[in-house]
Order: sequence, then C-alpha cells, then structure tokens
Amino acid sequence: DTGVSQDPRHKITKRGQNVTFRCDPISEHNRLYWYRQTLGQGPEFLTYFQNEAQLEKSRLLSDRFSAERPKGSFSTLEIQRTEQGDSAMYLCASSLTNYNEQFFGPGTRLTVL
Amino acid sequence: AQRVTQPEKLLSVFKGAPVELKCNYSYSGSPELFWYVQYSRQRLQLLLRHISRESIKGFTADLNKGETSFHLKKPFAQEEDSAMYYCALHNTDKLIFGTGTRLQVFP
Repeated sequence: DTGVSQDPRHKITKRGQNVTFRCDPISEHNRLYWYRQTLGQGPEFLTYFQNEAQLEKSRLLSDRFSAERPKGSFSTLEIQRTEQGDSAMYLCASSLTNYNEQFFGPGTRLTVL
Repeated sequence: AQRVTQPEKLLSVFKGAPVELKCNYSYSGSPELFWYVQYSRQRLQLLLRHISRESIKGFTADLNKGETSFHLKKPFAQEEDSAMYYCALHNTDKLIFGTGTRLQVFP
C-alpha cells in the first residue's frame, strides 16, 4: 500500500457530460475526504465518510454532485451535467478516526470544455 | 466563521536567508493547526502540526493564540524548500486551508 490513489489522474469532458472519479484510501483508514482545489486557492472541503456513512457535505456540493463509499473502502465522486465551473483538481484524503492528520492522493484534474 | 489567511502569494528569498511564511486564523475554541507542503509534481503532504511541537526539515511553527497566528519559520532556507505551503485549520473533522504561499529559494 503506497498511499491514497486516485483514478483517473486527468479527465477532459464536454459540458453536460457525467464524470466519475475513484479514490482508494490507505487500507486501514476509516475516514475518507473529498476536496476541490481551483487555481490560486487552497483545497476546499466537499464531503467526508466514516466507513460507509457520509457524515458531512459542504454547501459547495450541489445536487449535481454525489459521493459514495459503499463498502467502506474505495469511494466514488460523480458529477452530473458538468459545467465549466466544475473544472478543478479533485483531491481525496484519508485518515484514522481521532487522528487528524489527513493523507492526500495525487488528485484528479477535471477540465470541462 | 472559521478562516485561514495566508497574506503572501509568493515569497522569494536567497539560499541561506531566513524564511517566515505567515498564517492567521479565526476560530472560536482551541484550534488545531497544520502546515502542509506541496513540492513540484508531488502530492500534498503534512509538514508539521502544532500539537507535536517538533521541527521538520528545519521548519518550526508556534501557535500564538493572542495574535491568532501560526507562522512557519526556518532560519536558513535551502533550494529544496521551494514549494507551495498551505496552512490549515482542523474544524469538526475537516481541514480549512488558506490560499497558500509559494516559496521560491534562489541559489
């Protein structure tokens, strides 16, 4: 296990298409987070899971966004009807409960044309 | 509202010069603060956290509750310190990041 992995690393799509990203956390980590980072900004929190339960969602996460972690292991983030404003780096992180250090993946860069 | 402010987008120094990357926060309660670093073409990684009070790669950061600051310091910058640095505040199970400061260390 070499850390948090994300797939794909890059995604180019046309406006209106749906996209799905995958995150595989560090195997023993029960918390999984999604962040979004746009140019010139720091990462912004989107949502997080404790095992398979989604515990918090940011107001940034519109109805077009949905995240799942069905078996408490990997997670998917889906964006429906993509818009140009969705273009960003999507970061995944994982951690152990009660240990606040989060380990980040390499990110998925989304470009919406 | 909880917020992290990094006032400098870019900080340029020569090798061997002291470095201070500024971070201010607003938080009601006892904050837990971190510095994350992102080297070129690498993922975001933890540099240090205030509760550990340790020095990593020669960097230190002291939490000043009176000034609501958590500035990152290093007495002698090295070229390999060139990177993007983010200050982050832990708030109810998530991290709130500042906008980051790019540190450039010239030879």
